[in-house]
Amino acid sequence: GENVEQHPSTLSVQEGDSAVIKCTYSDSASNYFPWYKQELGKGPQLIIDIRSNVGEKKDQRIAVTLNKTAKHFSLHITETQPEDSAVYFCAASSGSGDKLTFGTGTRLAVRP
Amino acid sequence: NAGVTQTPKFRVLKTGQSMTLLCAQDMNHEYMYWYRQDPGMGLRLIHYSVGEGTTAKGEVPDGYNVSRLKKQNFLLGLESAAPSQTSVYFCASSYYTGSEAFFGQGTRLTVV
Repeated sequence: GENVEQHPSTLSVQEGDSAVIKCTYSDSASNYFPWYKQELGKGPQLIIDIRSNVGEKKDQRIAVTLNKTAKHFSLHITETQPEDSAVYFCAASSGSGDKLTFGTGTRLAVRP
Repeated sequence: NAGVTQTPKFRVLKTGQSMTLLCAQDMNHEYMYWYRQDPGMGLRLIHYSVGEGTTAKGEVPDGYNVSRLKKQNFLLGLESAAPSQTSVYFCASSYYTGSEAFFGQGTRLTVV
């Protein structure tokens, strides 16, 4: 089955700096890669996603890049703000397309 | 629009007791999932369903059973609770694997 590795597990940045979270996946047939943000006491919420036919996608301060050859994808947050502090999860669809496999999460802290 | 609703939100069980967690979605989604979240281990898939009347095992199915008798409901059962099942449980639903998954608020279960 699919295996998703996520790094780093914790990340602390100064407000205004950029943050980068990286994930690798094992199943070359995976074709959907979402990123979720989980705030304290809440369920995860989708913030951005990318499909295998696209190399990069951007939404305001958030961008995701995908390298299918190397089987890794990354989340980039620019001009970080205190409200960006949360746990972020990457995920990849399985080759059979019937379920998502999540990474182990990155706890991001933005220092004011 | 309620989205995905989980009941109960908190529960304490004694070892050996049984209980059922209920997940209800009002978005007419075909796919529903049960995950457990443990520190440092991300979101691990317990069971999932690709439509009414179907269920399938995920990554960590042992000790759990599920049923999807109605499209809008997905039940997770623990027949004989063990301390290792202490966790936060999340239900999610989506139209299909390659679309946004919506999560409930979670159920914090403690088995003593």
